[in-house]
Amino acid sequence: IAGITQAPTSQILAAGRRMTLRCTQDMRHNAMYWYRQDLGLGLRLIHYSNTAGTTGKGEVPDGYSVSRANTDDFPLTLASAVPSQTSVYFCASSQIGGRRGEQFFGPGTRLTVL
Amino acid sequence: DAKTTQPTSMDCAEGRAANLPCNHSTISGNEYVYWYRQIHSQGPQYIIHGLKNNETNEMASLIITEDRKSSTLILPHATLRDTAVYYCIVRVPNYGQNFVFGPGTRLSVLP
Repeated sequence: IAGITQAPTSQILAAGRRMTLRCTQDMRHNAMYWYRQDLGLGLRLIHYSNTAGTTGKGEVPDGYSVSRANTDDFPLTLASAVPSQTSVYFCASSQIGGRRGEQFFGPGTRLTVL
Repeated sequence: DAKTTQPTSMDCAEGRAANLPCNHSTISGNEYVYWYRQIHSQGPQYIIHGLKNNETNEMASLIITEDRKSSTLILPHATLRDTAVYYCIVRVPNYGQNFVFGPGTRLSVLP
């Protein structure tokens, strides 16, 4: 069981380019999330999805978009990358209504925008 | 905004108990206390959670004060591998989006 996988592991991107970060989970969790973590800081929620077909904005959604076409996949797209989007991006999933309500995190994608 | 306050950093000697405090004075009646940790740029890892009773699992113990305004995570015998940033979060379990990670406590376990 892989849990949550993210791709790519790291990426260097020129400003203005479009980029999609991929996230896949095999736990059949209904909820998925994208966070960013800037150096030395805590995680901040970008977007979330409580179930396939629905998405919502988190704390820092500007410049990002998401889609949730099915249960397993939750891609994050940067339409036109800017240097302030340099960060580590974590995808997570959870089972809303589950006994523990915990989130499971992927290994992260380290993105550098030049 | 994070609903919790934690010390920025703490040190603990290897083999000793690590006691990490968290204040959550505005916690509401249906919010649980969750603890996660993040080891060196990896994704955060769930440790334990509780509502009002003390909880224990294979990783740690969670002590919640009777008024629920603060809690302590206890790692009974800290090892070097427990060096990490520890996050205390309060939330209602059945809502998906309300995980708010503050800066956490950086625990350094020293040999």
